[in-house]
Amino acid sequence: QSALTQPASVSGSPGQSITISCTGTSSDVGGYNYVSWYQQHPGKAPKLMIYDVSNRPSGVSNRFSGSKSGNTASLTISGLQAEDEADYYCSSYGNNNTLLYVFGTGTKVTVL
Amino acid sequence: QVQLVQSGGEAKKPGASVKVSCKASGYRFTSYGISWVRQAPGQGLEWMGWISAYNGHTNYALRLQGRVIMTRDTSTTTAYMELTRLRSDDTAVYYCSRERGGFGDGLDVWGQGTTVTVSS
Repeated sequence: QSALTQPASVSGSPGQSITISCTGTSSDVGGYNYVSWYQQHPGKAPKLMIYDVSNRPSGVSNRFSGSKSGNTASLTISGLQAEDEADYYCSSYGNNNTLLYVFGTGTKVTVL
Repeated sequence: QVQLVQSGGEAKKPGASVKVSCKASGYRFTSYGISWVRQAPGQGLEWMGWISAYNGHTNYALRLQGRVIMTRDTSTTTAYMELTRLRSDDTAVYYCSRERGGFGDGLDVWGQGTTVTVSS
């Protein structure tokens, strides 16, 4: 199972909005509404930001939103803040004759 | 509070095995599955597999099948991940994480990570 495809880097100025894409196949992203997004700061464990395509866990800012169209999911960060600078990974449930998770290649978000 | 606490870092030689533990607290252990995820230096996240804390059922990533063994002990609310026949490219930080709901529904609690270094 190949990794989901994300842009290597995305940048924006404080207050702006940015969107990170995550492209998979009909066996993962396109086939199920089980896309999650994780934020990871250097040297730290990942943190769940979005689950089931567009749901936010308790405590996650509403500046983070998720969506999906076909085989591509997206994470949008609005009102970009300095603390949003981190790596972001998408993940999807998949079924390729065996149940699995597949992660994206990761996107480095830089706040200019 | 809900937390997962992992065992300390390990240094191993190629061909050896390593077993990492993940102690759960603050929630009903058997109600949630545990996934293991690793991250090689400077690289992305790689899902290794999942174990049901309820019945011990497992799903392993295809590329690790035959080398990875996941178990759990409900009496101590601890999950374990053993990786055998270690290679240098198994050097990574290994994380345990809790399934938010059913399998595939997001990983909402993470351990602090365990560094495993494989070198001769």
